[in-house]
Amino acid sequence: SQKIEQNSEALNIQEGKTATLTCNYTNYSPAYLQWYRQDPGRGPVFLLLIRENEKEKRKERLKVTFDTTLKQSLFHITASQPADSATYLCALGPEYGNKLVFGAGTILRVKS
Amino acid sequence: DTEVTQTPKHLVMGMTNKKSLKCEQHMGHRAMYWYKQKAKKPPELMFVYSYEKLSINESVPSRFSPECPNSSLLNLHLHALQPEDSALYLCASSQGAGTVQETQYFGPGTRLLVL
Repeated sequence: SQKIEQNSEALNIQEGKTATLTCNYTNYSPAYLQWYRQDPGRGPVFLLLIRENEKEKRKERLKVTFDTTLKQSLFHITASQPADSATYLCALGPEYGNKLVFGAGTILRVKS
Repeated sequence: DTEVTQTPKHLVMGMTNKKSLKCEQHMGHRAMYWYKQKAKKPPELMFVYSYEKLSINESVPSRFSPECPNSSLLNLHLHALQPEDSALYLCASSQGAGTVQETQYFGPGTRLLVL
């Protein structure tokens, strides 16, 4: 069955450093991969999408890589800030129709 | 307007109650979704409406009944729920133009507690 794995433990980093989050998947060949941010008790907010034929995507301090051979995506936040503290979800799609499959998320804590 | 709104924010209901969750978007999106999310778990898809027709039902129990009155509104009718149905219920929308790479815009969610 399909499986998406994200770092199960929280990632604690110092302000100003680069945070790197991992999303691994098995038994799946997604056409694209998305990253979302979720704050406690709130809905996810879309950050970036990367297609299967793209290696890297950037948006301001965010960078996503996608390696379909390794079946892995890395999500980087450079010059991290305490305001970046949240849960980050990766989502693969489409499973069928418009369906996205979400990973469980990684909690990021940026300390000042 | 890139906002998806949901009401109510919080809902407490007994197992014999009937209640409804509401979702609205004015982005012209033609696909709308209901998700259920338990604490520390990913959102789980429940239903998808595409062009106001139910296109995906993820084998959700019949005590959850979705409705899409028009392209901007999505309801979730609740009846005879169980305590294990307590969760954050998220609504989302996407362009629904039939293309892949569909970014989904989520609402803030309704926190439901079933007693």
